[in-house]
Amino acid sequence: DAKTTQPPSMDCAEGRAANLPCNHSTISGNEYVYWYRQIHSQGPQYIIHGLKNNETNEMASLIITEDRKSSTLILPHATLRDTAVYYCIVPKNMDTGRRALTFGSGTRLQVQP
Amino acid sequence: EAQVTQNPRYLITVTGKKLTVTCSQNMNHEYMSWYRQDPGLGLRQIYYSMNVEVTDKGDVPEGYKVSRKEKRNFPLILESPSPNQTSLYFCASIHSTGRINTGELFFGEGSRLTVL
Repeated sequence: DAKTTQPPSMDCAEGRAANLPCNHSTISGNEYVYWYRQIHSQGPQYIIHGLKNNETNEMASLIITEDRKSSTLILPHATLRDTAVYYCIVPKNMDTGRRALTFGSGTRLQVQP
Repeated sequence: EAQVTQNPRYLITVTGKKLTVTCSQNMNHEYMSWYRQDPGLGLRQIYYSMNVEVTDKGDVPEGYKVSRKEKRNFPLILESPSPNQTSLYFCASIHSTGRINTGELFFGEGSRLTVL
């Protein structure tokens, strides 16, 4: 997978927007950016993905810079239940069918009451 | 409710005693996969299956076997467990038809295995 860089930890106040950055400067033109989160030791949960346009769903928004070298995951109104490790992933070779996602260290988001 | 179910959730066993971790999904997904998660190493793919009777190795297949006799089930078999297989295991699935480039995997809740 393309290398991604995320801050190891972030804090956010409950009710405020949480903005989680990810650097993926070696991304190729046809590679998507995926975001997952893992709450404690539960199974990772898919959040959102995008190629070049900004994306929004019921969980979050994804802003990808024009040069695609970085992106930001936005949780618009963070709650205590959003406390988790957030992973930014740029998987390679998804068209081979293997679909192996590389989960690095991620960002540990702590939402404070 | 759409889900991936793993059993057992927790298991302590001894070296050499064969065990099976079951995985079942109720979403009629073609693709299923097993990962293990270890501190400092992230999640690593063990085996995957693109459909019934089609399985292949991931990044760390040594010491594991899998089978895919039915679409919904993808058991992970440890024929002779060793302490280095102590880990947190996750099963994942996805509907793959027509969506070959997607990485929107559904993960199970995990199975924590300890081999003494």
